[in-house]
Amino acid sequence: DAGVIQSPRHEVTEMGQEVTLRCKPISGHNSLFWYRQTMMRGLELLIYFNNNVPIDDSGMPEDRFSAKMPNASFSTLKIQPSEPRDSAVYFCASSLVPASSYTFGSGTRLTVV
Amino acid sequence: AQSVAQPEDQVNVAEGNPLTVKCTYSVSGNPYLFWYVQYPNRGLQFLLKYITGDNLVKGSYGFEAEFNKSQTSFHLKKPSALVSDSALYFCAVRDGGSGAGSYQLTFGKGTKLSVIP
Repeated sequence: DAGVIQSPRHEVTEMGQEVTLRCKPISGHNSLFWYRQTMMRGLELLIYFNNNVPIDDSGMPEDRFSAKMPNASFSTLKIQPSEPRDSAVYFCASSLVPASSYTFGSGTRLTVV
Repeated sequence: AQSVAQPEDQVNVAEGNPLTVKCTYSVSGNPYLFWYVQYPNRGLQFLLKYITGDNLVKGSYGFEAEFNKSQTSFHLKKPSALVSDSALYFCAVRDGGSGAGSYQLTFGKGTKLSVIP
């Protein structure tokens, strides 16, 4: 298994531009999570899906952020418009059942200038 | 609500010495507890977990952790530290109850471990 695959690995964009981050979870996993990591705030859960349905999006910072999971093998996190304070590493993770550990992707390092 | 506290931002230990990275948790139901490690510019990697059973859990790379229900702690330990163990370590907790809400892992702030040669 290739693990959780995220793309792109790095993204540099100008303020105001739309950014789309992508994630392919491990096949068969039924839960998918988006986290954001910064030095100041550590790891923050943004949103998670169970069986492709968003369960809790209370961590999404504002309406500029949106996430979708159109099928079991793909999810996107979109920021529109992007701002410099959105600069962070964004991780996607997936898991199978509550007792299982998460498997994390390698992350997308986003820089908004 | 569930929460995790890692009281030390940084732990320094000499190579060959035992190491401990502390973690305490709060959860309403039965805790599912996890340790993850993050190397620079990498994602988090699973080390070990406690779900039920023996309070001493053994994991990858010689690490172990002890679940202490009365102290609500889950400290990570290793008998002899290696320089290559230097990384960022995260403790995490999940409520072991049923329901979609129990899927959510809450992470601590992380502890930077530096093993000095």
